[in-house]
Amino acid sequence: RKEVEQDPGPFNVPEGATVAFNCTYSNSASQSFFWYRQDCRKEPKLLMSVYSSGNEDGRFTAQLNRASQYISLLIRDSKLSDSATYLCVVNWGNRDDKIIFGKGTRLHILP
Amino acid sequence: ETGVTQTPRHLVMGMTNKKSLKCEQHLGHNAMYWYKQSAKKPLELMFVYSLEERVENNSVPSRFSPECPNSSHLFLHLHTLQPEDSALYLCASSQDLGSGYTFGSGTRLTVV
Repeated sequence: RKEVEQDPGPFNVPEGATVAFNCTYSNSASQSFFWYRQDCRKEPKLLMSVYSSGNEDGRFTAQLNRASQYISLLIRDSKLSDSATYLCVVNWGNRDDKIIFGKGTRLHILP
Repeated sequence: ETGVTQTPRHLVMGMTNKKSLKCEQHLGHNAMYWYKQSAKKPLELMFVYSLEERVENNSVPSRFSPECPNSSHLFLHLHTLQPEDSALYLCASSQDLGSGYTFGSGTRLTVV
């Protein structure tokens, strides 16, 4: 089983719709979780951390399900500018080399 | 300047060349990183400098050599690279593990 797994997509979603995607992780000792977004030919940028109780930032909601070992990202009222690749990142240790990136999920918002 | 800056943005080099990538962070972070991003692969951690301790990914070939002269600067020295080393090389910094990374804009390297 891969350490961090994401559906590569692409998800093609009409503007204004709600979209959600998950990321599964294999190590139950994982401690912290993040979502990054990466635009085409650009660097990844931190979108939000994922807290145990779930957290919301505007139209974005992140949740953690430790029992099933996945995190999710929900985007409401999607905008054209949300088109990007969304990277799941999992940290399962105290050292920097225990941070694992997923391959990303591509999202296309359609006008 | 603010954030994490990388130079050059693009680099084309022959297999016998020696070149260096430069990264500078203006955020006062404690750790700096080199990542490699190849097509259809997840980001691969290459090197970490954290509180002046280097953590090394054992799978990184010796033709890649990092240097961290101080907490704000990071270099990646390249020599006798192979065409499969062509990729986007990203520098990042972080204050600590819980706060996430700030990435530079990357150097797109092509080895011919």
